Amino acid sequence: AQSVAQPEDQVNVAEGNPLTVKCTYSVSGNPYLFWYVQYPNRGLQFLLKYITGDNLVKGSYGFEAEFNKSQTSFHLKKPSALVSDSALYFCAVRGLGFQKLVFGTGTRLLVSP
Amino acid sequence: DTGVSQDPRHKITKRGQNVTFRCDPISEHNRLYWYRQTLGQGPEFLTYFQNEAQLEKSRLLSDRFSAERPKGSFSTLEIQRTEQGDSAMYLCASSQTENNQPQHFGDGTRLSIL
Repeated sequence: AQSVAQPEDQVNVAEGNPLTVKCTYSVSGNPYLFWYVQYPNRGLQFLLKYITGDNLVKGSYGFEAEFNKSQTSFHLKKPSALVSDSALYFCAVRGLGFQKLVFGTGTRLLVSP
Repeated sequence: DTGVSQDPRHKITKRGQNVTFRCDPISEHNRLYWYRQTLGQGPEFLTYFQNEAQLEKSRLLSDRFSAERPKGSFSTLEIQRTEQGDSAMYLCASSQTENNQPQHFGDGTRLSIL
């Protein structure tokens, strides 16, 4: 069975500081991993993915994520947070041979001015 | 660049009524997915199509739910005899066939059951 854990309901960070949103996963075989962002009353917007290759993947709006196979983690990072980054962030996993995404419960990021 | 379009954005109905939602995927995308998202939760998979074929259905998709994609383009999701527990955001996503491609989501239809 596939599963995703996002251990923090909320992350608070000051504008200009680095941010990390944590994600761990469980899947049989090699995972396909994704991060999405959701603004109020909107759908999910794709940020980045890890399929294979470099463990550090870069995505939209200055976000990046680090894949760590031994720790089964895929943490989202950004070197300098913006107030406009405040939103709900979802990590998702797809196992090989499956099409459905399995999502975590989401982490609310609040960036203060 | 046209994204995934869902209609309506909001639907309010009385318990026991039938509702139908529509999803228009990104035009070159062969795969189409439906998810349900309740408050405070991540989206949960309901079903997916490759072209017009419905290839997987979740156990969440009870017999009151039916999804179609008759011509391999737009899709509809119908809920019959709605119940309070059906209140949720229904999200549609589409993707290209290649397995390394991400799913792109619409803005969803928010269903409220009175």
